[in-house]
Amino acid sequence: DVKVTQSSRYLVKRTGEKVFLECVQDMDHENMFWYRQDPGLGLRLIYFSYDVKMKEKGDIPEGYSVSREKKERFSLILESASTNQTSMYLCASSYRGSGNTIYFGEGSWLTVV
Amino acid sequence: ELKVEQNPLFLSMQEGKNYTIYCNYSTTSDRLYWYRQDPGKSLESLFVLLSNGAVKQEGRLMASLDTKARLSTLHITAAVHDLSATYFCAVDRASGTYKYIFGTGTRLKVLA
Repeated sequence: DVKVTQSSRYLVKRTGEKVFLECVQDMDHENMFWYRQDPGLGLRLIYFSYDVKMKEKGDIPEGYSVSREKKERFSLILESASTNQTSMYLCASSYRGSGNTIYFGEGSWLTVV
Repeated sequence: ELKVEQNPLFLSMQEGKNYTIYCNYSTTSDRLYWYRQDPGKSLESLFVLLSNGAVKQEGRLMASLDTKARLSTLHITAAVHDLSATYFCAVDRASGTYKYIFGTGTRLKVLA
């Protein structure tokens, strides 16, 4: 079974703190993604990566950065957390190639106070 | 603006009934994905539709794709309570970009 593991399920952080969300996949997938999910807005793509050290901006990259130093690991960084970044964050991965199934992690619920 | 629109957004139905969820999209993608999400949980892949006319079935769910109409349907046959969940469709902005756009989801509640 494919496993996409997000290290933190629930986090509470203060405004201005630096936040790291970690994601690891065990299927040697080339593609990895970070989405945020908000009620009524569905899933919105923050960043994705198609190879080690490669990244592309999604629809809402402002306030976020990412790091992919190893193929299996994709980190999302909130440089200075703000309350409007309170959300559920979903990591996903897939093989390169159109039409491949995208596998999602369990999600990280982040509250910024 | 590239859009993926699902309707209905909310659906409450009796067990044993049939219903269809619609997914309209505006991209040129010829791939479409359906996902299920249970409350507080992550997304689970249901179907990947790879070409015009593709039809896939799993249990009481059947998905189809019409790329000319830019429409996919998820048909539920003889609904049971276990199908209660939120269903999302998603498409690629254009083939091979991996920048998937998700619909806002259809929240399905099956009443016993």
